Amino acid sequence: KAGVTQTPRYLIKTRGQQVTLSCSPISGHRSVSWYQQTPGQGLQFLFEYFSETQRNKGNFPGRFSGRQFSNSRSEMNVSTLELGDSALYLCASSLGGTGVEEQYFGPGTRLTVT
Amino acid sequence: EDQVTQSPEALRLQEGESSSLNCSYTVSGLRGLFWYRQDPGKGPEFLFTLYSAGEEKEKERLKATLTKKESFLHITAPKPEDSATYLCAPRRAGSYQLTFGKGTKLSVIP
Repeated sequence: KAGVTQTPRYLIKTRGQQVTLSCSPISGHRSVSWYQQTPGQGLQFLFEYFSETQRNKGNFPGRFSGRQFSNSRSEMNVSTLELGDSALYLCASSLGGTGVEEQYFGPGTRLTVT
Repeated sequence: EDQVTQSPEALRLQEGESSSLNCSYTVSGLRGLFWYRQDPGKGPEFLFTLYSAGEEKEKERLKATLTKKESFLHITAPKPEDSATYLCAPRRAGSYQLTFGKGTKLSVIP
């Protein structure tokens, strides 16, 4: 079974620009979660989607947004990029029914903001 | 607010030298505690889920245990390929997010 895929793997953007990251979950998984990982803060939860609905949102500004499509694929968008947004953005998928199934992570998208 | 503390931050072991990693958590209504392994530049790899105090799970040289306030990851006779950062993440009742600790960076020296 194919794992979670994320595109692109690497991205360099300039302050003030916006960026869209994509995540394709494991086949049959309906929940997709997004996390930001930085050396200082570790892994921090951004949001979670199930059946195209956002069920949970972390403590990030409104510049961070996401959506999920009917095929469970998900995208996240960051507008008006800041230097502090440089991070590894990880997507994780799970079956999603009960909320306690294990999450499987993709390889991440490394975003660098200059 | 959920809090997760992992200790030590870093651990160096000789090959074959067993040890334990600690994950202390404050979570209201724990629904599950997850352990992951992360290699540099890669996404976390799922290891275990523990659901209730007293539960234990094993995989090769790893054994995870859970109490009401802590979880331990015991590593028996580690090998260099066990070198990685180990992350724990509890999940609170009614929430769909994982709250990750900062991790323990394990280095196993041949």
